[in-house]
Amino acid sequence: KQEVTQIPAALSVPEGENLVLNCSFTDSAIYNLQWFRQDPGKGLTSLLLIQSSQREQTSGRLNASLDKSSGRSTLYIAASQPGDSATYLCAVDQAGTALIFGKGTTLSVSS
Amino acid sequence: GAVVSQHPSRVICKSGTSVKIECRSLDFQATTMFWYRQFPKQSLMLMATSNEGSKATYEQGVEKDKFLINHASLTLSTLTVTSAHPEDSSFYICSARDRLLGGANGYTFGSGTRLTVV
Repeated sequence: KQEVTQIPAALSVPEGENLVLNCSFTDSAIYNLQWFRQDPGKGLTSLLLIQSSQREQTSGRLNASLDKSSGRSTLYIAASQPGDSATYLCAVDQAGTALIFGKGTTLSVSS
Repeated sequence: GAVVSQHPSRVICKSGTSVKIECRSLDFQATTMFWYRQFPKQSLMLMATSNEGSKATYEQGVEKDKFLINHASLTLSTLTVTSAHPEDSSFYICSARDRLLGGANGYTFGSGTRLTVV
């Protein structure tokens, strides 16, 4: 059974820092991996989608990498801002079944 | 981009009553919709998979008679929490995949429904 783990569970950094969020999954047979952002009490906003054949995707200050063979993905946030404060969720898609989520990393960026 | 509209965003109901939550795909057709539940500080847990025109598939431990799912068209799926109890209070969220694009474009999520049963 696929399990997704995110480390750390929580992270507090001062504004301007670069940071890395980690995601690992136990079954490497994934279709794709998606990173989401969730603000308190809100739904999910898709940040980056990495297909299984890709190694990374970039959007603005965000860069996500995927190493399928080792079951790992990282989300890199450059020059963090207070507006980046949210919970970041990693989810894997196994051949069209529902996404399987990690518990998330709650990020707090102080000004 | 793909949008899933979910209503209501918040609902408070009395114990024993039923609540219906709707999810609509606005600009794409969704053969399949997924329903998740999220308790505070927990991850999203899949409750059921809803397929247009057929019965939903429920995850282990989810009572199908309590959480009724209807997916009558390619753009609408509903979740009805029947005889709600305080322990059903949670954040419910749906997601859908574009029928034509499949998984290549990822999943789109609704904005969620905060259910509080008093």
